[in-house]
Amino acid sequence: AQTVTQSQPEMSVQEAETVTLSCTYDTSESDYYLFWYKQPPSRQMILVIRQEAYKQQNATENRFSVNFQKAAKSFSLKISDSQLGDAAMYFCAYRSGLDAGNMLTFGGGTRLMVKP
Amino acid sequence: KAGVTQTPRYLIKTRGQQVTLSCSPISGHRSVSWYQQTPGQGLQFLFEYFSETQRNKGNFPGRFSGRQFSNSRSEMNVSTLELGDSALYLCASSHNNGEGMNTEAFFGQGTRLTVV
Repeated sequence: AQTVTQSQPEMSVQEAETVTLSCTYDTSESDYYLFWYKQPPSRQMILVIRQEAYKQQNATENRFSVNFQKAAKSFSLKISDSQLGDAAMYFCAYRSGLDAGNMLTFGGGTRLMVKP
Repeated sequence: KAGVTQTPRYLIKTRGQQVTLSCSPISGHRSVSWYQQTPGQGLQFLFEYFSETQRNKGNFPGRFSGRQFSNSRSEMNVSTLELGDSALYLCASSHNNGEGMNTEAFFGQGTRLTVV
C-alpha cells in the first residue's frame, strides 16, 4: 500500500516571501500521479497542482511550483510571493497510475500561516 | 458549470441512528469518490463509484455503504452511528477521459456530521 507523509504540521511565511512544503511518499509503482490540494477554512479542497510521474519536468502553476524527485520519492510544493489568501491546509496526495479509478491517498497535511 | 454539491452541509445525529449523505457531481462526471476527514485519522478514502458500480473500496466497516444512480448522483449511508463517525465527509467527482483513466478530482464542500 502506498503512504504519503508530510513532515511539517505547520509552516509560517511572511507575505510576499517564498515557502516550501515537503511531501514524501512510498510506492513500488512506477506509474502514478501526485497532487497538492489546498483546503481553506471553507473546507472545500481545491487542486493546486498535479504531476505525472512519467514527466521529468516539474509542474508549475503561476506562483506554485513543485520539486519532483522520483528517485527520492519526494514531491515538495514551493509557493512564491505568498499572499494572505494562501493561508490554508495543504495536502499532498498520491494516485496510482495502474488503477482506472480515482482513489487518492493523502498525507496528514500542513497548515500554512501567512503573516502580513 | 456548477461544482460538486453535497447535501446537507451540517447534520447532527444520535448514536445508533443511520444517516444518508448526498453528492451531485459536476455535470458530465461519472466517477464519484467519498472521503472521511477527521482530526485524528486525516483524510481516508471510503469508496468510489463509476457508472453505478463500486470500483474501489477503502478499509471501513460494512456500516458504511454507498450507491450511485443513473444520473451519477451518489449517496453514502452510515448505519448504527458511533461517536467516532463524527467527521467531515467529502465527495469528489472526476471525468473519465474515455481511455479508462480519470482526470483530477474536484471536491465538494463536505457534510459535517456530528454524532452525539
